Order: sequence, then C-alpha cells, then structure tokens
Amino acid sequence: DTEVTQTPKHLVMGMTNKKSLKCEQHMGHRAMYWYKQKAKKPPELMFVYSYEKLSINESVPSRFSPECPNSSLLNLHLHALQPEDSALYLCASSQGSRNQPQHFGDGTRLSIL
Amino acid sequence: GEDVEQSLFLSVREGDSSVINCTYTDSSSTYLYWYKQEPGAGLQLLTYIFSNMDMKQDQRLTVLLNKKDKHLSLRIADTQTGDSAIYFCAEEFSGGRRALTFGSGTRLQVQP
Repeated sequence: DTEVTQTPKHLVMGMTNKKSLKCEQHMGHRAMYWYKQKAKKPPELMFVYSYEKLSINESVPSRFSPECPNSSLLNLHLHALQPEDSALYLCASSQGSRNQPQHFGDGTRLSIL
Repeated sequence: GEDVEQSLFLSVREGDSSVINCTYTDSSSTYLYWYKQEPGAGLQLLTYIFSNMDMKQDQRLTVLLNKKDKHLSLRIADTQTGDSAIYFCAEEFSGGRRALTFGSGTRLQVQP
C-alpha cells in the first residue's frame, strides 16, 4: 500500500471538460510533485511545490493548473486537454529538506477523447 | 548535463540473481535511487545510495556505485516471479533543483 493517495484511479474526459486530479499524503512531507508518464517511458516532471509554494514549473501548458491548498493536499486542475495529454499522472512527496527520497502514489490514468 | 541510461530488457530464471545496470553523466549527483514499477501501478522506492558510498545492501537488494565510471547497479538475489517489473534508476541533481532525472527503465522478466 502506498502512503500517497491519488484519486481518481481512472479518468476519461472530453476535450472541453474541466476535471481535477487529487493527491493526499499524511507523512508530514513538505514537498509535493506532479509527474506525467507516457506508456513505456519514464516519468517526466511537471510541477514541484515546496512548503506550499510552486517552486518548479517545467514549462507545462496552462491547460494544466496545479494547486496546493495545504501541506497534505495537491491538486491538478485540467481544462481543454488534448488527446496527447492522455497518460498516467503521478503524484509524489518528500520531506522538505533536500536529499530525501520521493514517495509516489499509484497514479491517475487519464484518457482524453 | 543530466543523462541517465539503462538497458531496456533483462530476462532471468527464477532463483537466479538479476543485475540491472545504469550509467549517469552528472558527477555532482548526490543521491541515486532505484524504483520499481509494476503494470498499472505507481513507482515503488526500492533503495537509494548516497554518492559518497560504494555499496548498500538491503535484504535481497545490493546497490553498487562506481563513481569513477559513473556506473550504478542493482543486484536482486534469488529473483522471484513477483520481481517482474520495470526498474528505473534516478539521480538527484545537486544543482539546487529538487528534481529527479530518470533512466529509461529496464524491464525485468522472470521465467519460472
């Protein structure tokens, strides 16, 4: 069982829909991450939050909007996505200090029709 | 720059040892990680090694680090069918970013 919980596990949406992915951890971690993983590829970093502030945005299109309401929660708001955005979206967390391992959730498998 | 390379596929028989290799180019890496990903699942942290160490052992897992050659390996002793998965190595760039650079992943197939 993972200590990082992601919901929903699967999501199918049309290109005009608005939906949100949710991530929750109760390990007291102060850094949280969103990754995108295409089939047969490694995860690619999208966003990093450190102490609830956005610290890294890897030039992600604005149709992806992250939000960190508190230190335990991380959301990814989706709007007007494209078919090529279909992928596994992984959330991870780590302690706030550097050189601490990241712990991943099981991901949300997103399909864009 | 940051670049991590792995071989794509490894097949072993149940009970044998598996050795998964990884090379990296960033000499200022601080931590190097091994993650396991089973089909349809997220990444499971297996083990990690600090860059001033040569070896780390954790039950059936042994990590070897050769800093001179920038080579990292993961040895799984007594490989079981449940070890079949994709294994990613990842380095943490010490240039100030809290970000991991992943290798392409090695698919381990364990034959009964």
